[in-house]
Amino acid sequence: NAGVTQTPKFQVLKTGQSMTLQCAQDMNHEYMSWYRQDPGMGLRLIHYSVGAGITDQGEVPNGYNVSRSTTEDFPLRLLSAAPSQTSVYFCASSYETGSADTQYFGPGTRLTVL
Amino acid sequence: AQSVSQHNHHVILSEAASLELGCNYSYGGTVNLFWYVQYPGQHLQLLLKYFSGDPLVKGIKGFEAEFIKSKFSFNLRKPSVQWSDTAEYFCAVNPDSNYQLIWGAGTKLIIKP
Repeated sequence: NAGVTQTPKFQVLKTGQSMTLQCAQDMNHEYMSWYRQDPGMGLRLIHYSVGAGITDQGEVPNGYNVSRSTTEDFPLRLLSAAPSQTSVYFCASSYETGSADTQYFGPGTRLTVL
Repeated sequence: AQSVSQHNHHVILSEAASLELGCNYSYGGTVNLFWYVQYPGQHLQLLLKYFSGDPLVKGIKGFEAEFIKSKFSFNLRKPSVQWSDTAEYFCAVNPDSNYQLIWGAGTKLIIKP
């Protein structure tokens, strides 16, 4: 199993550009989520999904969209990038629905918005 | 608002020293508790977790943590650290088994050989 994969590993955007961060898992996990990690802060939940076709907002959803058309994929879209979105983004998945189960993380995407 | 505090952002120890990393949370209800670790160049991975039962839980690589409900704490311990324990350690709390994990800011641990 590849586990949780994320692409790209690094990305630089200009303010106002849009892009999609890709996340995929091959473990047939129902629950997937996106976090951002900023210096001196813990991970903060952006959006999550409890199964294909179902998504919901986390703690910091503004400026981001998600969709879950398949169990495997959970892309994160930045609609109009802002410098405040400079961060490291992690995708995670778990077998059981909900954060109580062990989360499996991707390697992260380091995003810089100029 | 619910929060998780990790007392030390950076810890430097020599090999064979004992380790204790503090974690406190602010939530009065039922919680599930986790420690995750990120080794250099690797993904975040679960170190150990507490759901119920024995408040002393054991994880991988000789780590353990004790849940003290009265102190809202879940401190991570290891009696003798190794150079390979150099990593960043995160405490996380899941209140009431809902869909969100609340994370601490992390502690960067450096072990001097």
